[in-house]
Amino acid sequence: QVQLQESGPGLVKPSETLSLTCAVSGYSIGSDYYWGWIRQPPGKGLEWIGSIYHSGSTYYNPSLKSRVTISVDTSKSQFSLKLSSVTAADTAVYYCAWLRRFYHVDLWGKGTTVIVSS
Amino acid sequence: NFMLTQPHSVSESPGKTVTISCTRSSGSIASNYVQWYQQRPGSSPTTVIYEDNQRPSGVPDRFSGSIDSSSNSASLTISGLKTEDEADYYCQSYDSSNHGVFGGGTKLTVL
Repeated sequence: QVQLQESGPGLVKPSETLSLTCAVSGYSIGSDYYWGWIRQPPGKGLEWIGSIYHSGSTYYNPSLKSRVTISVDTSKSQFSLKLSSVTAADTAVYYCAWLRRFYHVDLWGKGTTVIVSS
Repeated sequence: NFMLTQPHSVSESPGKTVTISCTRSSGSIASNYVQWYQQRPGSSPTTVIYEDNQRPSGVPDRFSGSIDSSSNSASLTISGLKTEDEADYYCQSYDSSNHGVFGGGTKLTVL
């Protein structure tokens, strides 16, 4: 079955770029489906960041679109999130996700905490 | 764009039935599927309802979802409440740009 594992720095300085990777096992990431990112600030609710179709088409939250890039690396069976010009408001648990249909998260990663602080 | 509004918290006793609402601010609730996710403390969310009223395998039939166009809202109903149902519940739909929109979440207390 599909398994997801996020990785990346747990601490990022303000104004820098947050970079996270999600390793996918149990499925060929380039074959089909959508792969996405969702975040949850401490003590708050969920926020959809965006998703990418296996072909490379991307769908971003309009409120983050100017700062977000999601990409897929089929050779490494992983997909990535880059969020530029971060501030303290970007401090959150970041989840990677598998979506068989673009509108529904079938599987969530365990999540990785990113703190934005100098 | 639209918002999904949920009650901040609900509580009910074990064995009873509880319903959590999710109201769409603009546009028809019926025009885009609604999903419901359960998030226990310290854990990742999991799906309890997708496509308005479908249950993933492994989710007990005590969980059900529905859509009410008259109130422009979706509902998650949990019957025969168990203490293990205590969690945060999030509704989610999507907009015309194919990105997801979450409700603010509802904390369910089973006391």
